[in-house]
Amino acid sequence: DQQVKQNSPSLSVQEGRISILNCDYTNSMFDYFLWYKKYPAEGPTFLISISSIKDKNEDGRFTVFLNKSAKHLSLHIVPSQPGDSAVYFCAASGLTQGGSEKLVFGKGTKLTVNP
Amino acid sequence: DVKVTQSSRYLVKRTGEKVFLECVQDMDHENMFWYRQDPGLGLRLIYFSYDVKMKEKGDIPEGYSVSREKKERFSLILESASTNQTSMYLCASSPIGQGPAYEQYFGPGTRLTVT
Repeated sequence: DQQVKQNSPSLSVQEGRISILNCDYTNSMFDYFLWYKKYPAEGPTFLISISSIKDKNEDGRFTVFLNKSAKHLSLHIVPSQPGDSAVYFCAASGLTQGGSEKLVFGKGTKLTVNP
Repeated sequence: DVKVTQSSRYLVKRTGEKVFLECVQDMDHENMFWYRQDPGLGLRLIYFSYDVKMKEKGDIPEGYSVSREKKERFSLILESASTNQTSMYLCASSPIGQGPAYEQYFGPGTRLTVT
């Protein structure tokens, strides 16, 4: 059962325009959401996060929006730059059956920003 | 700066071999994780550890075991490597109850090929 879904495997955007990456989740117990960015042959790096008590968090060109009622979050990148080309993973924090916290990742969206 | 290092970037092993993947973090983090990343499947949690000598199964533990004898080191063991374990293996660590909750820091990954 896929609890965190990124339905778009890829997205292509022109440099300077807005990139919007979407993520849906099914578990209403998730209380924290994160976005990671991954370049080829490197490990993922943390980008931005949002607590379930907020609906927006902004950090420079990156903004994450959370709609709890729709169980949906999105990452906006404005303006997009060629260096933003990477795979973006959405993740949600939840509890395992043993009561420990873990991250549940989506399958990722490959963003390509064209010059 | 948090540093997570993995013993090898690339590894080629034969079917049936016992394989050890090593991970070391230098930030005194309590939690450590092993994931595998496959195209179209995202990051899937294999095992994690929240303390020395403690471990908990993730989503896909079959065919793997782990060892955590020291806080900074977390090893992933493939008891008898099979071709379906060819993958990118990512190690991560995180602190408990500090900063952006649940943020994990990843190593660069080990690309394992089993022939």
